[in-house]
Amino acid sequence: GAVVSQHPSRVICKSGTSVKIECRSLDFQATTMFWYRQFPKQSLMLMATSNEGSKATYEQGVEKDKFLINHASLTLSTLTVTSAHPEDSSFYICSAVKTGYNTIYFGEGSWLTVV
Amino acid sequence: DAKTTQPPSMDCAEGRAANLPCNHSTISGNEYVYWYRQIHSQGPQYIIHGLKNNETNEMASLIITEDRKSSTLILPHATLRDTAVYYCIVSALSNFGNEKLTFGTGTRLTIIP
Repeated sequence: GAVVSQHPSRVICKSGTSVKIECRSLDFQATTMFWYRQFPKQSLMLMATSNEGSKATYEQGVEKDKFLINHASLTLSTLTVTSAHPEDSSFYICSAVKTGYNTIYFGEGSWLTVV
Repeated sequence: DAKTTQPPSMDCAEGRAANLPCNHSTISGNEYVYWYRQIHSQGPQYIIHGLKNNETNEMASLIITEDRKSSTLILPHATLRDTAVYYCIVSALSNFGNEKLTFGTGTRLTIIP
């Protein structure tokens, strides 16, 4: 199978600070990665599509200056939540497209709590 | 917007086959049907996907109707660990990953001991 790893799995940060979440495809290359956010008892909401070497494409209503996405290599994408607020507290999940297999694999998710 | 319709919840007795339906009446010719499941507080787990033929792997079977407007995921011998939210998604994922997976509300499957 294909493995996608996220780090950290849980993070607590203070309001106004920034926090970075990493997403790595461990055993395959991923030209495209996706970032989702999930609030309790809700479905996953797509935030942005991250393509290696180019700017991310954000979904409507997602602030690109607040949620910075960098996809500098074929195995790593990062999501930085800038100037975090308590309402940014959520479960953030990344996924990566296994090229040539028409399949997306998901990371374990990262719980962010802003206090 | 999600392009699929699933029942919000289902129960299944342990050891029995769990049959999860999904309607995707507006599916396009190049769109695959994907199934994922999410156990509480974890990332979604890939189960199976198909285009038009029925598919089977070590986890489940996927039955797609001939007109491709609906499908059924079958877990042949459900265990308590299969309790999860199951998502049916249609997408025209290509080798270039230009498409994306949009999640609906899924079916909350509860396996009853």
